[in-house]
Amino acid sequence: RKEVEQDPGPFNVPEGATVAFNCTYSNSASQSFFWYRQDCRKEPKLLMSVYSSGNEDGRFTAQLNRASQYISLLIRDSKLSDSATYLCAVRDENRDDKIIFGKGTRLHILP
Amino acid sequence: DVKVTQSSRYLVKRTGEKVFLECVQDMDHENMFWYRQDPGLGLRLIYFSYDVKMKEKGDIPEGYSVSREKKERFSLILESASTNQTSMYLCASRDRNTEAFFGQGTRLTVV
Repeated sequence: RKEVEQDPGPFNVPEGATVAFNCTYSNSASQSFFWYRQDCRKEPKLLMSVYSSGNEDGRFTAQLNRASQYISLLIRDSKLSDSATYLCAVRDENRDDKIIFGKGTRLHILP
Repeated sequence: DVKVTQSSRYLVKRTGEKVFLECVQDMDHENMFWYRQDPGLGLRLIYFSYDVKMKEKGDIPEGYSVSREKKERFSLILESASTNQTSMYLCASRDRNTEAFFGQGTRLTVV
């Protein structure tokens, strides 16, 4: 099993719809979890951290399921500007405290 | 705001040249990282550093070296550039227990 795995997509979603991505991780000892957004030919930027209790930021909701070892990102009322690649990232204190990134999920919001 | 600055957005170098990619961060972060990103392969860790004059190999260090003489600066060196090192190079920094902040990336082409 890969350390951090995501469905590459693309997800083609009509504007206004709700879309959800999952990201699975292999190391049950992982400590911290993040979602990044990356626009074409730009650097990744933090979208949100993922807390054990789940967290919400406007139209975005992130959740952690430790038992099944996955994190999720839900986008409600999607906008054209949400089109991007979404990377999940996992920090593992037991592996030199590195942050391991998934390969990303591409999202296209259709007008 | 955290600022991570990479010296060049675009570089074109010839095969066999020695190439220096510079990265500077202004938030006094302990940890700095160099990744390369290729289509379908995601972000792959080349080298990282948790302190001045300290360096550790990542997942794909072959053909690269690094230098961290000052806390704010982390340099990636391609000793003898090859065409398979054509890629997007991303520098990142963070403190312990925080997310990673990325530079704008350097798109290197080796001809």
